Amino acid sequence: AQRVTQPEKLLSVFKGAPVELKCNYSYSGSPELFWYVQYSRQRLQLLLRHISRESIKGFTADLNKGETSFHLKKPFAQEEDSAMYYCALLTGNQFYFGTGTSLTVIP
Amino acid sequence: DTAVSQTPKYLVTQMGNDKSIKCEQNLGHDTMYWYKQDSKKFLKIMFSYNNKELIINETVPNRFSPKSPDKAHLNLHINSLELGDSAVYFCASRNAGEGELFFGEGSRLTVL
Repeated sequence: AQRVTQPEKLLSVFKGAPVELKCNYSYSGSPELFWYVQYSRQRLQLLLRHISRESIKGFTADLNKGETSFHLKKPFAQEEDSAMYYCALLTGNQFYFGTGTSLTVIP
Repeated sequence: DTAVSQTPKYLVTQMGNDKSIKCEQNLGHDTMYWYKQDSKKFLKIMFSYNNKELIINETVPNRFSPKSPDKAHLNLHINSLELGDSAVYFCASRNAGEGELFFGEGSRLTVL
């Protein structure tokens, strides 16, 4: 069963426009959620996690348990934000990753 | 000060061959993973080891055999390579009970 869903495989926005990458999860317990980013030909790296409730590179994500969502948002996209973004759910010792969203920021 | 390192970064080989990818982490983590990223960028867990013990073994052909000689290393051996094995393989590590997963740079395997 798919535990993490990222409905958009590709997303393009213009520089300076707001961006939202969607993530929904299914888990009956208390979820621990993350966003990972993979820049071109680089390793995956943690962008942010919901328990830290901080903004990284201008990105924020709020856990909405009612909607079982953890959408990633940034008010003004920059060209350097172009990358692959993965939402991930940690249950026990296992990370479940979504299928990823490729974000392209158009200059 | 590479935290999670994998070798080789690139591997091109013929169908039917056997190959290994090595992974080492110097973070003192007790849990290590192998992930496969296919051509569509889908990231799928393959194996997980905690303190050298296998704890996750997803549906992976038995041609894939992980080996953990100590908790800082998790190697992946693949027998009888097939075209469908072409992918980027990522090693990762963390401490059980803590959140963040640290990834290696990936090993791009191409099977011809």
